[in-house]
Amino acid sequence: DAKTTQPNSMESNEEEPVHLPCNHSTISGTDYIHWYRQLPSQGPEYVIHGLTSNVNNRMASLAIAEDRKSSTLILHRATLRDAAVYYCILRDRGSQGNLIFGKGTKLSVKP
Amino acid sequence: GAGVSQSPRYKVAKRGQDVALRCDPISGHVSLFWYQQALGQGPEFLTYFQNEAQLDKSGLPSDRFFAERPEGSVSTLKIQRTQQEDSAVYLCASSLTEFREQYFGPGTRLTVT
Repeated sequence: DAKTTQPNSMESNEEEPVHLPCNHSTISGTDYIHWYRQLPSQGPEYVIHGLTSNVNNRMASLAIAEDRKSSTLILHRATLRDAAVYYCILRDRGSQGNLIFGKGTKLSVKP
Repeated sequence: GAGVSQSPRYKVAKRGQDVALRCDPISGHVSLFWYQQALGQGPEFLTYFQNEAQLDKSGLPSDRFFAERPEGSVSTLKIQRTQQEDSAVYLCASSLTEFREQYFGPGTRLTVT
């Protein structure tokens, strides 16, 4: 699976939007972009995924660059509960299903 | 509905002891994964089951690690003769099929003294 690059940490204020970037310049045509997050002392949880088009769900939005070499996870209104480590992961549909995590971005949310 | 559960949540073992960590996946989920997470790091893949078949165990760090899922549901990760470097959080995840989103349990924190 191709590698991703994320900032180590980011800060946000409560109730403001948060844009979490991810670079994946070596992405292949069959790689899906997945985001998981891990709240303190919990297992990771699925957030969203996409291939080419932007995606929205109840948790977040995923904006994918036209060349697919980068993407951005958007939390529209950060809450204190969104403080977590966010992982951007590439998954090739043709490969085995295990996730390859990097170090992720630790998001802090200030009240 | 019930999520993935793991037991025990915390385990302290003396070096050289054997431990067994249990994972109860979501009912009906075909795929089951084990991951190991060291402090400050992202989870790392250990092994993968599709039903009762262990299709990949390439991430197991040594032959002291053994996993099974005999009836395609509950899975057990066993570590023999534990070493200090085995101290970590062990996470279990299940998914409906191989490529669907994975649901993680809370993990078992293993401390080897």
